[in-house]
Amino acid sequence: KAGVTQTPRYLIKTRGQQVTLSCSPISGHRSVSWYQQTPGQGLQFLFEYFSETQRNKGNFPGRFSGRQFSNSRSEMNVSTLELGDSALYLCASSFGGVTYEQYFGPGTRLTVT
Amino acid sequence: GQQLNQSPQSMFIQEGEDVSMNCTSSSIFNTWLWYKQDPGEGPVLLIALYKAGELTSNGRLTAQFGITRKDSFLNISASIPSDVGIYFCAGPSGSARQLTFGSGTQLTVLP
Repeated sequence: KAGVTQTPRYLIKTRGQQVTLSCSPISGHRSVSWYQQTPGQGLQFLFEYFSETQRNKGNFPGRFSGRQFSNSRSEMNVSTLELGDSALYLCASSFGGVTYEQYFGPGTRLTVT
Repeated sequence: GQQLNQSPQSMFIQEGEDVSMNCTSSSIFNTWLWYKQDPGEGPVLLIALYKAGELTSNGRLTAQFGITRKDSFLNISASIPSDVGIYFCAGPSGSARQLTFGSGTQLTVLP
């Protein structure tokens, strides 16, 4: 069974631009969560989608948004990029039921200059 | 919010040695997850703990709840070079799908 895939793997943007990251979950998984990883803050939860609906949201500004499609693929968008948005963005998928295990993709390394 | 504290922050061990690391929380967790992350990659799930008092194993890895269920331990036996990486503990906070992660333990295995 294929794992979680994320595209692109690396991205360089300038301040003020916007960016869209994509995530394809493991087949059969209906929940997709997004995390931001930085050296200073570690792994922080952004939001979670299940059946095209956002179920949970972390403590991030409204510039961070996401969506999920009917095939469970998900995208996250960051508008008006700031230097502090430079991070590894990780997507994790799970069945979305009572199980807690989440399986991560390789991440997208975003650098904002 | 809930916080997870991992210790030690880093470890240097000789190949073949056993390793133990732990994670403590400010509140009780009914589930603990342990992940390993290699440089430039996403975390890989190693072990999921659901039952207090039981050891859960995955090859050379063993994990268990602490007595208070506010902590968890991960043990690696007979370490090998590919054990190098950052080990994270995690637990569900708020809703079941929102994981809170510890700050990680960086493991280095010396030949």
